[in-house]
Amino acid sequence: QSVLTQPPSASETPGQRVTISCSGSSSNIGRKPVNWYQQLPGAAPKLLIYRSSQRPSGVPDRFSGSKSGTSASLAISGLQSEDEADYYCAAWDDSLNGYVFGTGTKVTVL
Amino acid sequence: EVQLVESGGGLLQPGGSLRLSCAVSGFTFSNYWMNWVRQAPGKGLVWVSIINNEGSDTSYADSVKGRFTIFRDNAKNTLFLQMNSLRPEDTGVYYCGRDGDGDDPIDYWGQGTLVTVSS
Repeated sequence: QSVLTQPPSASETPGQRVTISCSGSSSNIGRKPVNWYQQLPGAAPKLLIYRSSQRPSGVPDRFSGSKSGTSASLAISGLQSEDEADYYCAAWDDSLNGYVFGTGTKVTVL
Repeated sequence: EVQLVESGGGLLQPGGSLRLSCAVSGFTFSNYWMNWVRQAPGKGLVWVSIINNEGSDTSYADSVKGRFTIFRDNAKNTLFLQMNSLRPEDTGVYYCGRDGDGDDPIDYWGQGTLVTVSS
């Protein structure tokens, strides 16, 4: 099963901004919306961004998403220690007739 | 409040079978497509299977096709995953997930249930 490509790690000091990329193809990100998930250690994934750029209620506006062509990105501004987690992107893939997930990015707050 | 609660995980030998359940509440189950996603220890999320709201249409990842079967009981608000011919590489936490509206991916997740396949 193909995957969406993310950098394995990202780090920044508190208060700074970190951006995570998610690279796909024309059969997934290029034509379908992207969701982003946050997975804290030992916990289930939690929806962070849906429809590429929308935040569910309760998610701080420090988190933002965007999509262009076959790539998407997640930005976390005003980084806080509680943001240390793994982050995954996901999209439906028309060729595979299933979901594909990103490889995951571990965010560390220095 | 939307809730999804998985159960049925355990330790079993290669070649064995197991049935996972996902009991849902807080939304109209029969209106939503549902998914199973797994995560091997220390690894990323991998989609396993999806079923439409009526239970008449399914799709599977290549790695489980022919071995796993997804089905649902809308009267009991429960999603299932029947896993046969289990392999060590099937080991991991299995999550059920509610599909989002329209083309949106999974919006709600259960807490997961651990399946360990080992001799």
